[in-house]
Amino acid sequence: NAGVTQTPKFQVLKTGQSMTLQCAQDMNHEYMSWYRQDPGMGLRLIHYSVGAGITDQGEVPNGYNVSRSTTEDFPLRLLSAAPSQTSVYFCASSYETGELFFGEGSRLTVL
Amino acid sequence: AQSVTQPDIHITVSEGASLELRCNYSYGATPYLFWYVQSPGQGLQLLLKYFSGDTLVQGIKGFEAEFKRSQSSFNLRKPSVHWSDAAEYFCAVGASDDYKLSFGAGTTVTVRA
Repeated sequence: NAGVTQTPKFQVLKTGQSMTLQCAQDMNHEYMSWYRQDPGMGLRLIHYSVGAGITDQGEVPNGYNVSRSTTEDFPLRLLSAAPSQTSVYFCASSYETGELFFGEGSRLTVL
Repeated sequence: AQSVTQPDIHITVSEGASLELRCNYSYGATPYLFWYVQSPGQGLQLLLKYFSGDTLVQGIKGFEAEFKRSQSSFNLRKPSVHWSDAAEYFCAVGASDDYKLSFGAGTTVTVRA
C-alpha cells in the first residue's frame, strides 16, 4: 500500500544545477500537485495536473517545470536551482472530492 | 480567491488539557474545509473534513471541528490531548469544483507533561 512516493528524500544542489523530484502514486488519482513548505508560510501550490497530458500553474510556479505523461507519475523539475528554492517539497494526489494524499516530502537545499 | 488564516503560530498545552486551534477562511461560496496534521519529518495526514451537512464533524485521533458560516471559522478541538498530539496543524480550504487547496500558515502544538 505505497500511496504517494517521493524521491529523493534529501538533496543538496549548487546554484545553477538542475534536478528532478520524482513523484508516483498508485491510487489511480487523476489530480496531482506539488507544494512547497516554508517556515511561517504553510504550503504553497507550485503546479498541478488534473490528468495525463494536462498541467497548470499554481501560486508559485516560477523556476519549476512539470509534465504528466502518465496517471501515476508527476515529476517536478528545477531548471536552474537558486537558494530561494531551498524548501521542503510535497507531492499530493486526490480523487474528485479534493482530499489530498501527501507523500513524505523531499528536503532540498540549494547552496 | 480563497485564503486561510490561522491566528496562532504556536500553542503550548499540558497533557490531558483541552486544545482548540483557530481557523478563519475567506471564500465566496460554500467551502470545503480540512484539517491536516504533520508530525516532525513526515508528510501531512488528514484529520477531518467538512463538505456539507452537520456543522460538527468528527475526525481521527479524537479530534472534532465545527463549521460556523457566520464567523467564517472552522476551529479544531480535542477534549484531552496526549503527548503524541505534538505536531503542526494546518487548516485548508477548497471548493466543490476545484481540486486545489489553500493552506494556512500552520499552528505548532507543544504538549508539556
